[in-house]
Amino acid sequence: EVQLVESGGGLVQPGGSLRLSCAASGFTVSNFWMTWVRQAPGKGLTWVANIRRQGSEEHYVDSVKGRFTISRDNAKNSLYLQMNNLRAEDTAVYYCARDADFSSNDIWYDAFDIWGQGTMVTVSS
Amino acid sequence: AVQMTQSPSSLSASVGDRVTITCRASQGIRSDLGWYQQKPGKAPKLLIYAASNLQSGVPSRFSGSGSGTDFTLTISSLQPEDFATYYCLQDYSYPRTFGQGTKVEI
Repeated sequence: EVQLVESGGGLVQPGGSLRLSCAASGFTVSNFWMTWVRQAPGKGLTWVANIRRQGSEEHYVDSVKGRFTISRDNAKNSLYLQMNNLRAEDTAVYYCARDADFSSNDIWYDAFDIWGQGTMVTVSS
Repeated sequence: AVQMTQSPSSLSASVGDRVTITCRASQGIRSDLGWYQQKPGKAPKLLIYAASNLQSGVPSRFSGSGSGTDFTLTISSLQPEDFATYYCLQDYSYPRTFGQGTKVEI
């Protein structure tokens, strides 16, 4: 079965750090772009970061640049999000997702086709 | 960043109704748009990719259209299990951006 399982969320004080993990099964993470998306309580979805398949290209939303780092461990078939200098506004459910390629009329598109169940991060003193 | 504006923010409809949700991009994004459904306490689910392509396993009552700046998600005959919040997402440029969501109440 193709699935993603996040872990590592919890309560952390402002300025603290947390590392989220996302374990994949049923597919190889190194063959796909992988993404983190978050959702603050009662709010909409926000794309956070992604990482290129089999490479080191990364992209981040401006609000987390310089504080968050996305990475991948191919041997463990897992995705990570290292979050430093956390702020109250980072409080959210964090989802990892597979960013798959789809072809339509000979043009390639991508979309998030597999999602984890989410892990809650609470930043509070 | 490309801003995605969804409308309406919420709607009430009856079973069997035709429902239309729109998403407007602040600049042209070709057909680089997906639609996602999220039920309370659950992860989002991909419905439509590349603006108009139905994801495998998604009921055919869902359809998408549009290109450039204006996009539409249509549910042809609303079912009770369609109670959810729907989001559009542009994957044309970074940062990826979601619409603010449309809550569909039955």
